[in-house]
Amino acid sequence: EVQLVESGGGLVQPGGSLRLSCAASGFTFSNFWMSWVRQAPGIGLEWVANIRQDGREKGYVDSVKGRFTISRDNAKSSLYLQMDSLRVEDTAVYYCAREGKGGFDIWGQGTMVTVSS
Amino acid sequence: ENVLTQSPGTLSLSPGERATLSCRASQSVSNNYLAWYQQKPGQAPRLVIYGASSRATGIPDRFSGSGSGTDFTLTISRLEPEDSAVYYCQQYGGWKTFGQGTTVEIK
Repeated sequence: EVQLVESGGGLVQPGGSLRLSCAASGFTFSNFWMSWVRQAPGIGLEWVANIRQDGREKGYVDSVKGRFTISRDNAKSSLYLQMDSLRVEDTAVYYCAREGKGGFDIWGQGTMVTVSS
Repeated sequence: ENVLTQSPGTLSLSPGERATLSCRASQSVSNNYLAWYQQKPGQAPRLVIYGASSRATGIPDRFSGSGSGTDFTLTISRLEPEDSAVYYCQQYGGWKTFGQGTTVEIK
């Protein structure tokens, strides 16, 4: 079964750090671009970052540039998001998603990140 | 940044009726790299349409997409109760922006 499973979410204070992980299974992870997408409570979807198959090309939404770092380990079929200098406005469910031949064709179930004092 | 604006905000229709959802881009979407997603409460989004008009795997044929350039449409030809959801459009060529969503309610 093709599957993405996120982990690492939780409650963190403003200015703190958190590292999210996404474990992929059921497909050849190293063949695909991967993305992180977030959804603040009651709000719509926002693309956060993506990474090329070999990890050498990355993209970020402006609001997280310099604070978040996306990475991957193809040997472990895993995607990561290191989040530093967290802000209240980063509170959201974070999804990892596979970039298929068109759009994001596989999504994880999401992990909740709450930034609050 | 290519801003996607969806309309209407909410659509309330009866089973069997036709739903027409609009997505308008502030700039032309390159290569028609436009996708639609369905999201039900408490669930992750699900890809419905990609390339503006291609149905994703497992999507019923009552869902269809059309459009090009800056104007795109998702049509659900005969609404079923399980189609109740929020639908998002997304442009995925380069900068990957989402629209704000349209809620489809089944009466």
